[in-house]
This record gives sequence, structure tokens and C-alpha cells, in this order.
Amino acid sequence: QQQVKQSPQSLIVQKGGISIINCAYENTAFDYFPWYQQFPGKGPALLIAIRPDVSEKKEGRFTISFNKSAKQFSLHIMDSQPGDSATYFCAASSNDYKLSFGAGTTVTVRA
Amino acid sequence: DGGITQSPKYLFRKEGQNVTLSCEQNLNHDAMYWYRQDPGQGLRLIYYSQIVNDFQKGDIAEGYSVSREKKESFPLTVTSAQKNPTAFYLCASSMGQGSARSYEQYFGPGTRLTVT
Repeated sequence: QQQVKQSPQSLIVQKGGISIINCAYENTAFDYFPWYQQFPGKGPALLIAIRPDVSEKKEGRFTISFNKSAKQFSLHIMDSQPGDSATYFCAASSNDYKLSFGAGTTVTVRA
Repeated sequence: DGGITQSPKYLFRKEGQNVTLSCEQNLNHDAMYWYRQDPGQGLRLIYYSQIVNDFQKGDIAEGYSVSREKKESFPLTVTSAQKNPTAFYLCASSMGQGSARSYEQYFGPGTRLTVT
């Protein structure tokens, strides 16, 4: 049973467009929400993370929006580039430091 | 050059054989993790270790075993009892409890295991 539900499964965006990936969780003990980026055949790389005491965090073209009351968080990729084509995973952790991952979203950026 | 190494990148085994996957880190991290990745299912936690000589089962530990005799090494054995061992296996590490960055997990390049 997946503790973090991620959507969509895949998306296609034009170069320069915005990619939006959504995640939802039920466990209110979760207090750390990272996003990972994975290229084919490689290990995931930590992209950006947020704690529930803030509603938004931005790093370059990547922004996490967090809605604690709705138990939802999302990743926005602004000005999407072909090099952003990858699979993105949301995850969540509580004070046991174990990460629960979403199923992943494959993003394709068309030039 | 700090990081996590996993070897080999590709591994082929016959059904019924045990196989050990290597994971080494030189980040001086206390905690290490093993995940399994299957298409469309994200990453699932197999085992984790917060400190040397101690480890705990994750969500899918059946058919797997680990050891943590050294801080930098956390090998995973896929036993013949694992019903569907073919998968991409990922090792990760983090600073461990008590650190401000203890939640941040860093992944190795993975080992793709194929059992026929």
C-alpha cells in the first residue's frame, strides 16, 4: 500500500513550458518531503525538499508548493528544458528517517 | 571524490543461487539503506541501518539479508527465497540521526540484477 500517491504517471511539455507533478499523503506524522530526479539507468538525485512549516520553497527553476491541510504537495518545473526530461519521484519521511516514495512521473520536454 | 559506489552495474544469476550486491560509501555517513525499484512502483525499502552492527527490516525484507560490519559498507544478499529477484537495486546513505541533514538520502548508481 503506497503511502504517497503521485500523479500524473507521465507528462509531455513543450520547451519553455511548466511541468506540474502532484503528490498526496495520509500519514500526518510525515514531516519531510523531498523530490528526486532520476535519469535512465542512474540512481535518483535529491532535487529539492520542504518541511511542513513553509508553504513554498524555490530553488532555481524548481518550486515545491505544500498544502498541509490538504495533505498535498507539488513540484513545479518552470521554463522546462530538454535536459529536464527524467523521472521525478516525490517522497515523505517521519522521524524514523525512512522514505516512502511515490510511483514516479516521467517528464518529457519537447524541443 | 566522495560518493556511493555499487558494484557491479549489471549482474546475471541463475534461479536458485544467492547473490550479494556491494555498496560502499566514503561520505562518513552513519545510516545506509537498500531499495528495490520496479517499473511503475517507485522505490521500496528493503533494509536500513542507522549504525554499525545494527539494521532493521524495511517494507519488503523477505528473501533478503544484510550485514553492517563496517560504517562504509552495507552489502545486500538476494537469497533464493526471494520470489521475484529481477529488479534495479539502489543503495543510499544519510548522515544519520542527530544531524540537521539526517533526512537527506543520497543514492548510488544502482545494480541491475537479472535472474533467469
